[in-house]
Amino acid sequence: GAVVSQHPSWVICKSGTSVKIECRSLDFQATTMFWYRQFPKQSLMLMATSNEGSKATYEQGVEKDKFLINHASLTLSTLTVTSAHPEDSSFYICSARSGTYNEQFFGPGTRLTVL
Amino acid sequence: RKEVEQDPGPFNVPEGATVAFNCTYSNSASQSFFWYRQDCRKEPKLLMSVYSSGNEDGRFTAQLNRASQYISLLIRDSKLSDSATYLCVVNIDDMRFGAGTRLTVKP
Repeated sequence: GAVVSQHPSWVICKSGTSVKIECRSLDFQATTMFWYRQFPKQSLMLMATSNEGSKATYEQGVEKDKFLINHASLTLSTLTVTSAHPEDSSFYICSARSGTYNEQFFGPGTRLTVL
Repeated sequence: RKEVEQDPGPFNVPEGATVAFNCTYSNSASQSFFWYRQDCRKEPKLLMSVYSSGNEDGRFTAQLNRASQYISLLIRDSKLSDSATYLCVVNIDDMRFGAGTRLTVKP
């Protein structure tokens, strides 16, 4: 299957700082990328959908000014958690979908801990 | 009503057992269906797609009933390595995940 990478794989930061997470499709062009968040013992919750070159579409209840998404190229999307707080501590997973295949390919996830 | 609902679990079964997971979805416009497996602190990985005619992959059998909006996964001859959380996933324009069912296979 196709490969999607995420960086960093884990990050610990102080409350009030901003954290940027990168999601890259390594061997295919991702026309659409998705960002999910997963709290312990809960399912993945879609945060936003981004199409290359356009603004992301956020799910209800997700603050677009807090979770900045940029999808500047067909292989890279970034999620920036601005002014992170402890309640933002979670497992953030991206996935990418090409225009050719229906399947989404998931990155390995980024574990964010905000102190 | 949640978009995708699954058995809450957890399921604790002995090696060799047969275990079945059920899932229902609310949106009749759903286009495609999957079972994913997620190990602790890892990303979900595709286990198998689910087709209307039913499909089998080794010890795993998936069924879809569009009329009832119901999906199932059957695991036969459980192995210790099958221990994981199984996620029912329904695709409309994007993937919607069930909460997952935790399976533990014990020796």
